[in-house]
Amino acid sequence: AQSVTQPDIHITVSEGASLELRCNYSYGATPYLFWYVQSPGQGLQLLLKYFSGDTLVQGIKGFEAEFKRSQSSFNLRKPSVHWSDAAEYFCAVGAQLTGGGNKLTFGTGTQLKVEL
Amino acid sequence: NAGVTQTPKFQVLKTGQSMTLQCAQDMNHEYMSWYRQDPGMGLRLIHYSVGAGITDQGEVPNGYNVSRSTTEDFPLRLLSAAPSQTSVYFCASSYSPANNSPLHFGNGTRLTVT
Repeated sequence: AQSVTQPDIHITVSEGASLELRCNYSYGATPYLFWYVQSPGQGLQLLLKYFSGDTLVQGIKGFEAEFKRSQSSFNLRKPSVHWSDAAEYFCAVGAQLTGGGNKLTFGTGTQLKVEL
Repeated sequence: NAGVTQTPKFQVLKTGQSMTLQCAQDMNHEYMSWYRQDPGMGLRLIHYSVGAGITDQGEVPNGYNVSRSTTEDFPLRLLSAAPSQTSVYFCASSYSPANNSPLHFGNGTRLTVT
């Protein structure tokens, strides 16, 4: 069964500093990987996704992520964090279900705090 | 563009009561699903539907029923609420059931069962 680990529960960075959020996955086949962001009281918004091809993927809001098969990782990065980036970030791996649907397996999330 | 709309935003139930969480999408998405979010556990799939008239169980289906009579609507029913069902519930939809089709989430329903 697939699983996702986000080792950092909380991260605090200063505004303008760089950011890297870690994600490790376990999946038997080629993974479909996603990063979502959740602001307080809101649903999850897709930041970026990886299916195949270029291992460095660009997303919205200046985020990027790099897929490293050898390390089973899909870390999220941003060169310069803005105060509005404070939120909870979820990494997820997509799997096809036998019933025809799909299931996203989520990590437990990383809460990002931005200090001004 | 409304996207995925969930109602109500908040609900408090007593143990044993029933209720329906509503979910509607206006994107003509084929695939819809329900997740619950609990602290320290991420989101877990409850039920899903690959099209009108077709539903199936996810990883935590017990205590919940769903139906999909139209493409737009996918209500989640709690027949007899239990404190273990206290959670935040998210409805999500995507263009297709394929696992590379990104999900669009509603803003959630926060349910408390006392």
